Amino acid sequence: AQTVTQSQPEMSVQEAETVTLSCTYDTSESNYYLFWYKQPPSRQMILVIRQEAYKQQNATENRFSVNFQKAAKSFSLKISDSQLGDTAMYFCARDNYGQNFVFGPGTRLSVLP
Amino acid sequence: GAVVSQHPSRVICKSGTSVKIECRSLDFQATTMFWYRQFPKQSLMLMATSNEGSKATYEQGVEKDKFLINHASLTLSTLTVTSAHPEDSSFYICSARDFGQRETQYFGPGTRLLVL
Repeated sequence: AQTVTQSQPEMSVQEAETVTLSCTYDTSESNYYLFWYKQPPSRQMILVIRQEAYKQQNATENRFSVNFQKAAKSFSLKISDSQLGDTAMYFCARDNYGQNFVFGPGTRLSVLP
Repeated sequence: GAVVSQHPSRVICKSGTSVKIECRSLDFQATTMFWYRQFPKQSLMLMATSNEGSKATYEQGVEKDKFLINHASLTLSTLTVTSAHPEDSSFYICSARDFGQRETQYFGPGTRLLVL
């Protein structure tokens, strides 16, 4: 089965500090998309960042950036200058041959004041 | 950005009744819609994929007679939980995308179902 793994069920970080969430995945495709989604207490899924596999440059969105290591099938998310509003569940996901998304189990991030 | 709505946001029903959840794309054509189920503190579990005008494709282990999906238009898909039981209580999320958009899915806000 094509899987997405997030090895950190829970993490915490002090406000204004930096935190990195890990994600590894399995695929036999050469080109695909990877995503980080945020699910706050409202439970609305929010796209944080997206990476296309054939692009070598790591994606960035303001305080959010990724470290994409294609050969290692690793896709970590770095959150800089953490804010209280970053407290949420974070899901790593991969598109599955264009048919659907495969989600990881999630990492619960708490930003502490 | 593209908006997907779900209705109702929360529903409580008695065991044995059927419940219909609507998922609408408000400003784009949703040729494909996805239905997910999410238990507390767990990830999203894909239940089925529906393409407009076609029968839904259900994931392994999902009862198609229990969870009826209709995608009759380019902006509306419905999920009907038939003869609901307490174990069907969960958070149901839909998402949608236009044809060929493998790089994105737009998510609805979810529906919390409680079966008494």
